[in-house]
Amino acid sequence: NAGVTQTPKFRVLKTGQSMTLLCAQDMNHEYMYWYRQDPGMGLRLIHYSVGEGTTAKGEVPDGYNVSRLKKQNFLLGLESAAPSQTSVYFCATQEALSYNEQFFGPGTRLTVL
Amino acid sequence: AQKITQTQPGMFVQEKEAVTLDCTYDTSDPSYGLFWYKQPSSGEMIFLIYQGSYDQQNATEGRYSLNFQKARKSANLVISASQLGDSAMYFCAMREGGYQKVTFGTGTKLQVIP
Repeated sequence: NAGVTQTPKFRVLKTGQSMTLLCAQDMNHEYMYWYRQDPGMGLRLIHYSVGEGTTAKGEVPDGYNVSRLKKQNFLLGLESAAPSQTSVYFCATQEALSYNEQFFGPGTRLTVL
Repeated sequence: AQKITQTQPGMFVQEKEAVTLDCTYDTSDPSYGLFWYKQPSSGEMIFLIYQGSYDQQNATEGRYSLNFQKARKSANLVISASQLGDSAMYFCAMREGGYQKVTFGTGTKLQVIP
């Protein structure tokens, strides 16, 4: 089992370009999350989904969009990248209605020039 | 107010010694869960230990234990017999009663000295 995978692992964008990050899971978890990690700020929640076809805003949603068309995939889009979006992005999954831990993907390092 | 506060940006510990990483939390929900994750320099997030708000005993997992003081709203991680491989960032996190979202602290960077 692959667990939680993220594509791509690294990406460099120019300001104004767009891109989509893909998170895929084979754990059959209902909940999926996108976080960004910046030095000194821990992990901050961007968007999350509690099931196929549903998404919700987290703490820092501006400049990002998401979609969950299939249970196993959660996409994070940047329509017009800005240097402030330079960060490491983590996807995580979790069983529904439980206090079990979240399972994280390996992260995507994004640099916006 | 910060929901999770980790006041130690960085710490050093001698190999084989014990170390305590501090975490305080803020919630009015009677039902919540507290987590600790480790992030080595390679970048992955590794789950270490979990404590539920209704758990009567402190959680333990091998060399990790969680010193849960509910009245003080603290959930400190204790690592016994530190090893060089324990050098990493450590994050405290909390899930409140709605299950859906987790809030992370800013982390503590632990360095184990030989």
